Amino acid sequence: GESVGLHLPTLSVQEGDNSIINCAYSNSASDYFIWYKQESGKGPQFIIDIRSNMDKRQGQRVTVLLNKTVKHLSLQIAATQPGDSAVYFCAENDPNEKLTFGTGTRLTIIP
Amino acid sequence: NAGVTQTPKFQVLKTGQSMTLQCAQDMNHEYMSWYRQDPGMGLRLIHYSVGAGITDQGEVPNGYNVSRSTTEDFPLRLLSAAPSQTSVYFCASSYDRLAGYNEQFFGPGTRLTVL
Repeated sequence: GESVGLHLPTLSVQEGDNSIINCAYSNSASDYFIWYKQESGKGPQFIIDIRSNMDKRQGQRVTVLLNKTVKHLSLQIAATQPGDSAVYFCAENDPNEKLTFGTGTRLTIIP
Repeated sequence: NAGVTQTPKFQVLKTGQSMTLQCAQDMNHEYMSWYRQDPGMGLRLIHYSVGAGITDQGEVPNGYNVSRSTTEDFPLRLLSAAPSQTSVYFCASSYDRLAGYNEQFFGPGTRLTVL
């Protein structure tokens, strides 16, 4: 899940396994959510988004699940590869178009 | 296409010094923005611009100035650096303010340390 301290939560996954990264968002009025990937020394990169009128959206090897009841978002990465090693963070967009970013989870792929 | 470029990659300043972080994009994007990224916190918007000659404040604008004289460039100025401005700074651009976030591109970042 997201971190409120100085150290990011970490998730280590065997190469080829599936990864699930979680995010708890804060604003029940948020209507749009994004997952980003940030590799070491690089800027964030958009992965996938979902609107609040959906509970699931699939991309290429990634799936985002949204549970509005408990204000929870998850990112599932199928068949993880070494190139998936990065920090992943979510962002929520409220009706005033304010985008609030989470702190992230560090995903490490074990060969 | 170089995309979004930022210079320098690393910078160390003393308290009170001034400097400009450079950001340029070659995609003819109208919308550009600056964020800072601090440990334990998510990205926070500093300033943004919807086009040449137009800038506005984001969430944490204090201590920073911006200008947008051309479509390509969006420099961020620190007039009197403070240790609280130690951070990693990201510039981002997109076609326009209404473009989806999937069409927003981030630069590689500038890591700034203020002593």
